[in-house]
Amino acid sequence: GAGVSQTPSNKVTEKGKYVELRCDPISGHTALYWYRQSLGQGPEFLIYFQGTGAADDSGLPNDRFFAVRPEGSVSTLKIQRTERGDSAVYLCASSLFARGGTEAFFGQGTRLTVV
Amino acid sequence: KQEVTQIPAALSVPEGENLVLNCSFTDSAIYNLQWFRQDPGKGLTSLLLIQSSQREQTSGRLNASLDKSSGRSTLYIAASQPGDSATYLCAVFKAAGNKLTFGGGTRVLVKP
Repeated sequence: GAGVSQTPSNKVTEKGKYVELRCDPISGHTALYWYRQSLGQGPEFLIYFQGTGAADDSGLPNDRFFAVRPEGSVSTLKIQRTERGDSAVYLCASSLFARGGTEAFFGQGTRLTVV
Repeated sequence: KQEVTQIPAALSVPEGENLVLNCSFTDSAIYNLQWFRQDPGKGLTSLLLIQSSQREQTSGRLNASLDKSSGRSTLYIAASQPGDSATYLCAVFKAAGNKLTFGGGTRVLVKP
C-alpha cells in the first residue's frame, strides 16, 4: 500500500483479555516503530525493529507487552492480561532505515479501550 | 535523556494571522527534527523534516528553522486558515538510540 496501515482502527476489550494490534509498513522500509499516545500527550516510544529483530524494546512498560516482526515487514504488538491503564492510541511508524534518521511515516493508529 | 518541550500547549489565532510554534530539546546530538500535524482522532502526518546539517526547510506556507546549538526549532505557518486547526508535534531523532522523541504538542485553533 501507499502508506502505513494499522488494523483494527478501534478495539474494545475486557480487562484481562489478550489483544493483538497489526501494523503493515510502507513497502521497502526496514525500520518499524511502535508508539503509544495518551489523550493530550505526545506519542511515547515502545519498541523499534530494524529488519526482523527488535533493536530497542526499552519503552515497553512491562512483560505483558510483546511485539514481533517475523519476516521483516508486518509487525504485531501483543498485549496480555490487558488493564484499563493500557487504554490509549497505539501508533505504528516506518522509515527507510533507522540509522541516520530518515523520515518517519505514521499510520492512523489503533484506539484501544479496555473496559 | 532527551527531553522535548513545546510551548505553548494551546494557541488560538484569527484567520490570516501568522502562526509561530516553538520546540526546544535538551540534547543537541540529533540526526534530524521532524514536524507533524495530528487531527483529532487521527494519526500523524509528516509536515517537514530538517536534517541536523540544515538550518531550515520550507513547504508552501510552512517554514521550519533549526538551531541545533541552542536546541530550538520553530515552525512558521503563514496566513493561517481554519483548516490549519490541529495539534502540531515536533520530534527529534537522536544520534544515539535511533528513535524519535516527541514533544507534547501545541493545539492550534484558527478562528474564521
